[in-house]
Amino acid sequence: DTGVSQDPRHKITKRGQNVTFRCDPISEHNRLYWYRQTLGQGPEFLTYFQNEAQLEKSRLLSDRFSAERPKGSFSTLEIQRTEQGDSAMYLCASSLVSGLAGVEQYFGPGTRLTVT
Amino acid sequence: AQSVTQLGSHVSVSEGALVLLRCNYSSSVPPYLFWYVQYPNQGLQLLLKYTTGATLVKGINGFEAEFKKSETSFHLTKPSAHMSDAAEYFCAVSASYGNNRLAFGKGNQVVVIP
Repeated sequence: DTGVSQDPRHKITKRGQNVTFRCDPISEHNRLYWYRQTLGQGPEFLTYFQNEAQLEKSRLLSDRFSAERPKGSFSTLEIQRTEQGDSAMYLCASSLVSGLAGVEQYFGPGTRLTVT
Repeated sequence: AQSVTQLGSHVSVSEGALVLLRCNYSSSVPPYLFWYVQYPNQGLQLLLKYTTGATLVKGINGFEAEFKKSETSFHLTKPSAHMSDAAEYFCAVSASYGNNRLAFGKGNQVVVIP
């Protein structure tokens, strides 16, 4: 069990550019979540997957954001035409949900995005 | 829908003194409750959780929390603060079924004074 990993850890981009982040969950975890954390705030839910299916998206997730989880393993989060307001820490979490068990989510170290 | 209120963004505590972080939640269904800790430039680490059963739950690093349904609270305590407890602490709530997505409070930045 190597934990949740995220790549890159830091990304600096210019406004208008596209960026893509990757998350590798704990092996065999069936749920994967994306959250966004801005300075001085708690994380906010963006979207989640059950295996390869994206089951819910927050209204925070504008049309410029897209997430995928092909084959139910790693996930990518892409932001198109980045804006300065997209600057934040993007956190990925995974869990193994089976019946009533496995509700705790394990978080990765996050990707810090800075849009200049 | 679920939400969490954490008051007092910064909390200062003397080394060896009691740590008390307050969390009040709102949930339209039976909740699951969590406390996470975040060190600078790192992700969140689970301290403890309440799902069902015993309302006093013990976590890592000597922390514990008590679920009080009548007060809609889940306050976090530690009897004696250590310098290594300096970090940001988040309370979170999720529904007890469905997507289990977490709703977080704004966090408490704990400063430990030697």
